[in-house]
Amino acid sequence: EVQLLESGGGLVQPGGSLRLSCEVSGFIFGSYAMNWVRQAPGQGLEWISAITGDSGRTYYAGSVKGRFSVSRDNSKNTLYLQIDNVRVDDTAMYYCARTSRGANDIWGHGTLVTVSS
Amino acid sequence: LPVLTQPPSASALPGASINLTCTLDNEHRTYTIEWYQQRPGRSPQFIMKVKMDGSLIKGDGIPDRFVGSSSGAERYLTLTNLQSDDEADYHCAESHTIDGQVGWVFGGGTKLTVL
Repeated sequence: EVQLLESGGGLVQPGGSLRLSCEVSGFIFGSYAMNWVRQAPGQGLEWISAITGDSGRTYYAGSVKGRFSVSRDNSKNTLYLQIDNVRVDDTAMYYCARTSRGANDIWGHGTLVTVSS
Repeated sequence: LPVLTQPPSASALPGASINLTCTLDNEHRTYTIEWYQQRPGRSPQFIMKVKMDGSLIKGDGIPDRFVGSSSGAERYLTLTNLQSDDEADYHCAESHTIDGQVGWVFGGGTKLTVL
């Protein structure tokens, strides 16, 4: 069964850092590009980052460029998102998603990040 | 960047049909979009891709009641024989490569209520 499981969310103070993880199973991880998408409470979906299967290319939304860093370890079947200098408006559910045929065909259940002092 | 516009809400009775609309801005009217369903408290689920010519790529297990189509800058998701389980937020999205940079844009989502 194909599964994506996010972790690493929680309560963090403004200006702090955290690293989100997305552990996958049920498919050949290195063969797929991956995305991070977030959803603020009561709001729509916002794409924030993508990474190719071989980590050769990374991409970011303008709203997070310079503060977020995406990476992956194909030997551990795990995708990461490093978030630095967090802001209150980073509060959201963060989802990882697999990209296949140009669509996000499999999504994790999400991990909640709350930024508050 | 492309702009995708969705009405914020829609409603219909069980057993009825409803069209959900995603409108691309004129500059990007030829783009392919994806539809996602997000039930309350759940993560999004891929429904289908809809191309400008109306051709589709459906996600696994998506019932035949979910039909995609296209007209000009508008992309449609038609749900027939509505069921209570269809009550959800429906998001459209598109992926693009501009100047070598990959990105995705989502519409604001439509909250579908099955009355």
